[in-house]
Amino acid sequence: QSALTQPASVSGSPGQSITISCTGSSSDIGNYNFVSWYRHHPGKAPKLMIYDVSYRASAFSDRFSGSKSGNTASLTISGLQAEDEADYYCSSYTSNSTYVFGTGTKVTVL
Amino acid sequence: EVQLVESGGGLVQTGGSLRLSCAGSGFTFTNYWMTWVRHAPGKGLEWVAHIKEDGSEKYYADSVKGRFTISRDNPKNSLFLQVNSLRVEDTAVYYCARRCASTNCYIYWGQGTLVTVSS
Repeated sequence: QSALTQPASVSGSPGQSITISCTGSSSDIGNYNFVSWYRHHPGKAPKLMIYDVSYRASAFSDRFSGSKSGNTASLTISGLQAEDEADYYCSSYTSNSTYVFGTGTKVTVL
Repeated sequence: EVQLVESGGGLVQTGGSLRLSCAGSGFTFTNYWMTWVRHAPGKGLEWVAHIKEDGSEKYYADSVKGRFTISRDNPKNSLFLQVNSLRVEDTAVYYCARRCASTNCYIYWGQGTLVTVSS
């Protein structure tokens, strides 16, 4: 049950697009389309952004999109805004009937 | 409105125990898998355990297997996590969350309860 691998940090200027990768294995991302993404401000409840790889939760606009290729999933934030600064986590269902989170990515808006 | 409210956290010494609780409201509790996720200071989110609607299936992260026990009381709309043999590395905010209606994700989260394990 190793954590999925994400870059520790990603940054961009307002209006730019950024992409966060999330790499797992054939036991999780590669074998299931149950990849979700969460935004987390420490001390607050995590918030579901994307589920089933690419479906947006109702609170998130089409600036947020998800995709998957092989064992790697990605979250793209376009038109970056100051309020997008947060920690972002991917998650996947696994072959052990458990879940695993990614290592987390801190997004900074320059 | 769906609400999840955790309680039971606190300061405990290494080797000690706590029972965390999560009270659900605003939805039919018995219809959903429920989970516990934790966030240790300076670290990432970690999935801890989840339990089926009727309590018949339970799964745990390797890091807590044999020490933590998840359970639920459906008539009382409550989820529990019994945490035993606590270690310093179990220090974290513990969140309960409700599974999405028809797929594998977690859509509703509580505000968390802090467990601090001191040596």
